[in-house]
Amino acid sequence: GAGVSQSPSNKVTEKGKDVELRCDPISGHTALYWYRQRLGQGLEFLIYFQGNSAPDKSGLPSDRFSAERTGESVSTLTIQRTQQEDSAVYLCASSLVRYGYTFGSGTRLTVV
Amino acid sequence: SQQGEEDPQALSIQEGENATMNCSYKTSINNLQWYRQNSGRGLVHLILIRSNEREKHSGRLRVTLDTSKKSSSLLITASRAADTASYFCATPEGGTDKLIFGTGTRLQVFP
Repeated sequence: GAGVSQSPSNKVTEKGKDVELRCDPISGHTALYWYRQRLGQGLEFLIYFQGNSAPDKSGLPSDRFSAERTGESVSTLTIQRTQQEDSAVYLCASSLVRYGYTFGSGTRLTVV
Repeated sequence: SQQGEEDPQALSIQEGENATMNCSYKTSINNLQWYRQNSGRGLVHLILIRSNEREKHSGRLRVTLDTSKKSSSLLITASRAADTASYFCATPEGGTDKLIFGTGTRLQVFP
């Protein structure tokens, strides 16, 4: 597609349940990033995939968070045993090396 | 960790006025980028300025970079109500393409 696609757009889940968020990057973009943005806050880096290199997971807040990417295509971010503090907008972006990011519209996660 | 911090945190102006936002960062960079975010969703890339550039223009946007002061500014000229958004600066961490975003400036343009 022409842009970065994220699904679902909105997700309401019960505390303790697992959720899976999906990101479809722009075809040909070698780099893919996940960020978290709490209400009224800035962007918090979570994880970064670059080609076939090992992902940079340094921003994942706990072992409940994990992400995968198949080659240079789709990525999924999984949050296990969700907590209320996980409520946020989860943003995915893709890019070519040394260029600006193209962001998706995000997934708004609400844990009740 | 946050690399950049924007100043001011919030800015309110009338249509037609100019808006200036500043960004300070901590470590050496090879480029600095500005993004706009409407309604708390996806960010839109506005402009990228490289470390060997001092000024760059794109339409009504003017970005400056002072590497000696580790600061950048974004000027929006002749603002419009549609410019109402949050604006973030971002810089790559170390030698990577991983961007670290600043805290953002919330701009409100009144018609």
